[in-house]
Amino acid sequence: HSVLTQPPSVSAAPGQKVTLSCSGSTSNIGNHYVSWYQQVPGAAPKLLTYDNNGRPSGIPDRFSGSKSGTSATLGITALQPGDEADYYCATWDSSLSAVVFGGGTKLTVL
Amino acid sequence: QVRLVESGGGVVEPGRSLRLTCIASGFIFRDYGMHWVRQAPGKGLEWLAVIWNDGIRREYADSVRGRFTIARENSKNALFLYMDSLSADDAAVYYCARDLFHSCRSSPCYEMGYWGRGTLLTVSS
Repeated sequence: HSVLTQPPSVSAAPGQKVTLSCSGSTSNIGNHYVSWYQQVPGAAPKLLTYDNNGRPSGIPDRFSGSKSGTSATLGITALQPGDEADYYCATWDSSLSAVVFGGGTKLTVL
Repeated sequence: QVRLVESGGGVVEPGRSLRLTCIASGFIFRDYGMHWVRQAPGKGLEWLAVIWNDGIRREYADSVRGRFTIARENSKNALFLYMDSLSADDAAVYYCARDLFHSCRSSPCYEMGYWGRGTLLTVSS
């Protein structure tokens, strides 16, 4: 099982807002930045947010990250069919001295 | 622009060894930490290893420590993953990724800003 816990699936209608959760511990999320990755079927992952709430250039402001304690959240507003993808959270784990990923959440845009 | 191209995948027999290569372009390779991440068919992302930009510090996932070795040759803009004692559990798409920050911001490298398209490894007799 993954060190970071994500719900396996989430669904919402086009135009709606959705929040994806990622739960960890003090050895990882609690003391390190969280990043989020989007993986569209058949493609490589893409960085969506970094440093908890930063956005790389080219990423729309519909995507926003946040962190509180040992949990992190990715928010997506104004959902589009093209947002259907798997979303992964990740961070560093001090106890493991390793990068850890969540198990991923499959977002379905109904 | 940043470009990462993996190669070296294919079909290999159980117990064999293999080397994967990632050739980088579009940035100063020696300034960035580099990662290997894999994804088994139908599964999630699994981080494998990171090497700092100087090639000295390396960290591994417990699942591959002692069996996989990450290395780089800065003069050739090349990243490598040496894999020993391969088994069916190692079958996956292997991605290389560049860390987001120059010199990893002097902290652990763990935010992967750019990814290659991956190379597929099949382990079968």
